[in-house]
Amino acid sequence: DAMVIQNPRYQVTQFGKPVTLSCSQTLNHNVMYWYQQKSSQAPKLLFHYYDKDFNNEADTPDNFQSRRPNTSFCFLDIRSPGLGDAAMYLCATSRDLLPRRAVETQYFGPGTRLLVL
Amino acid sequence: RKEVEQDPGPFNVPEGATVAFNCTYSNSASQSFFWYRQDCRKEPKLLMSVYSSGNEDGRFTAQLNRASQYISLLIRDSKLSDSATYLCVVNPYLLSGGYNKLIFGAGTRLAVHP
Repeated sequence: DAMVIQNPRYQVTQFGKPVTLSCSQTLNHNVMYWYQQKSSQAPKLLFHYYDKDFNNEADTPDNFQSRRPNTSFCFLDIRSPGLGDAAMYLCATSRDLLPRRAVETQYFGPGTRLLVL
Repeated sequence: RKEVEQDPGPFNVPEGATVAFNCTYSNSASQSFFWYRQDCRKEPKLLMSVYSSGNEDGRFTAQLNRASQYISLLIRDSKLSDSATYLCVVNPYLLSGGYNKLIFGAGTRLAVHP
């Protein structure tokens, strides 16, 4: 089945120790997103890739970076995790074609729960 | 003011009850609207899109009121398996530079009990 895969499902890191979360997709979607969701809060968009174009949200801290080496993979790098970065990180994909005729559904991966010690 | 606001709940209802959630959004130019369902510690999953004319999918009915900028979800004949958090989602399509950007509410928690 086509899907969005995130690894690992749970990640424990130490305060200040760089960590990378990964996402892969078999849907061949051209847009990939990273969201951060803290307990009882809405998922918050950090950034997204439209094909190879990186689009950062204005309020995303510099501590968060992303890489998309090819269509299928996207990585979230947290350079110096703080206690406040403990959250669920959700990867999502969508197909977005120009000219845009309809809003396409976003498909979410199962998420990576990050714990910072 | 949050872009998408929802009553966090929880709504505790017995099986078979009818329950309704409302959601308000601040951007009057928003183009697309959705309800997502999120189970505890799982990812959000699309429940249904919300169309201007209102739409129904089995026991679920979604309605949009553009004039008042609110969206509703009605669940009839609640099942235990409906227990989840329901996220109201808005796509401020035009103002996001044309990108397919979703703005999520924090969700309304529903607990259906026997």
